Order: sequence, then C-alpha cells, then structure tokens
Amino acid sequence: DIQMTQSPASLSASLEEIVTITCQASQDIGNWLAWYQQKPGKSPQLLIHSATNLADGIPSRFSGSRSGTQYSLKISRLQVEDTGIYYCLQRYSNPPWTFGGGTKVELK
Amino acid sequence: QVTLKESGPGILQPSQTLSLTCTFSGFSLSTYGMGVGWIRQPSGKGLEWLANIWWDDDKYYNSSLKNRLTISKDTSNNQAFLKITNVDTADTATYYCARIGGAHCFDYWGQGVMVTVSS
Repeated sequence: DIQMTQSPASLSASLEEIVTITCQASQDIGNWLAWYQQKPGKSPQLLIHSATNLADGIPSRFSGSRSGTQYSLKISRLQVEDTGIYYCLQRYSNPPWTFGGGTKVELK
Repeated sequence: QVTLKESGPGILQPSQTLSLTCTFSGFSLSTYGMGVGWIRQPSGKGLEWLANIWWDDDKYYNSSLKNRLTISKDTSNNQAFLKITNVDTADTATYYCARIGGAHCFDYWGQGVMVTVSS
C-alpha cells in the first residue's frame, strides 16, 4: 500500500506568517493528491485537489505544489480562521485511498 | 446544492453488525464518474478510508478491515450504505460519508455520525 508521511505533526505560527505542510508519498502518485482542513467538531473541507487546484470558494492564500513524490500545502498569510488540522489524501491507488497522519496548525 | 447526511444506531455491542446510511441530495449516483465513500475517525485521531462505491456499482474496500465491510447503494432513493460485521470497541468512531465528484476526491462531506461499540 502507498504510505503518506505528513509533516510536521503540529506547528505554531504567527498571524500573517507563511505556513508549509508536506506529504511524502512512498511511491509515484502523479497528481492524485488532495488537501483537507478540519476544524474541531466539523467534517473535513476540501482545499486543494489534483495536487495544485484550488477548490471552489477556498481563499487564494492556500496553494498546493508538487516536487516528485513530495507534496506541499502553503498558507501564504496565516489567518485566525486557518487554525485546525490539515490532512492530505492520495487516491492514486484504488484501493486503498490513504490519508496522511494530519498536521495541527495553531496560532502562536 | 450537494448535501450528505449519515445515520446509524449510535451505540451497539461487540460482535454485532453496524449498519450505516448516507442520504444525499444534489447529485445522482447513476451519473457517470460519481461515487460515494465512507471514512471514519476515532475521537482525537486521524482519518481512515473505509470503502468507495461508484456510479457503475464498482466497489473498493480497505483490506485492513479483513472482509468485514459491505458497501451498497440505492440510486433511486439517493442513498448509500455501509455494513461492518463483528464490531469491536476499536470500531468506535465518527463515520463520514463523502461524495466523489469532478475533483476525483472527496469534495462534499456529511456531518458525521458517532458510533460507540460498548458492552
């Protein structure tokens, strides 16, 4: 099965700071990667699909990129409402689809 | 407007069968390319993919649950279902259903339903 290693597990950043979260795939998954944000007590929300495509209604401060088998989610200017847990999801293998372990983003 | 809502028993005992229903609107599971998946999340932990069902009735399962899963759909009533047999306390979690749409991933999620397995 394809493993998705997500890092860091948690981070604390200041308002307006740049935040980067990465997911390392254990093998080639092409662009079959999505990013989600989950707030406490809520269901996950799609941020990025196909590695780099911003989902509908998502602010442009969120962006996704790929370098080989490493995928990154960047928040260009962290806002209060961006706190939560972020997950990557690979859907290259079918089955299984695999989530990363999650990154908790807090405000410093 | 796409919406999904999960329903389930709330609490059940070990060795019983968990039956979950996802009732959705705003799309059809008979439309080419559409799918519905089930994902679960134990309290305070990460997300675990369980199963997907597609418009053409293709089904895919997480093999780590060792043949305990059955996914199905009722296209005419806009519902998808998941059964998990022989549940254990480790199956205690919030269960989500989600649509697989044009973005080829889970693009709309239900609010989740909490399921507790306890004797």
